[in-house]
Amino acid sequence: SQQGEEDPQALSIQEGENATMNCSYKTSINNLQWYRQNSGRGLVHLILIRSNEREKHSGRLRVTLDTSKKSSSLLITASRAADTASYFCATDTGGGNKLTFGTGTQLKVEL
Amino acid sequence: GAGVSQSPSNKVTEKGKDVELRCDPISGHTALYWYRQSLGQGLEFLIYFQGNSAPDKSGLPSDRFSAERTGGSVSTLTIQRTQQEDSAVYLCASSPGTSGNNEQFFGPGTRLTVL
Repeated sequence: SQQGEEDPQALSIQEGENATMNCSYKTSINNLQWYRQNSGRGLVHLILIRSNEREKHSGRLRVTLDTSKKSSSLLITASRAADTASYFCATDTGGGNKLTFGTGTQLKVEL
Repeated sequence: GAGVSQSPSNKVTEKGKDVELRCDPISGHTALYWYRQSLGQGLEFLIYFQGNSAPDKSGLPSDRFSAERTGGSVSTLTIQRTQQEDSAVYLCASSPGTSGNNEQFFGPGTRLTVL
């Protein structure tokens, strides 16, 4: 099974609402990262949280990390139609600089 | 500065043909990664280059797949005797390669279709 698994697999919300996506992983990590992908092409890095951090903010993004539960959440506040994309978590488990990506959450923000 | 570039952006080939996909990483990035993404799926790790170290080839799905990185910069992923199941988007990424700084910068991908 995958190191990182996001849930839900798909999420549909109205513009202005908050979107929460969760990521669970299996082995200990150095850091966890969230990426966004539009239209099945290249991914864009959003935020990195280290294993000794519990929460991090970047603009409308809030990421939490619970290493005891091996889980992370990504919260997008006041969502916009432009936030429509797939969101992936990726874990650094210390194997060099390699990341292991999860299965992704497809977010759709409707007007 | 320029980001990661990949070529071609789209490639249609016939089953059994060989294909080469190219990746130009960000200048100065010592780490380079190849991933494969099938429609609606997550990223499947293929291979990872870090500086002059031996590449991590643990994700290559078969011996039809190979990759090289010349001069520590440009990388080429080669798929020999392509099969229909090789159809996917092939993504390349690079990162600075320094310890603790492994944010990856992705190229736009090459969409491969094997007929």
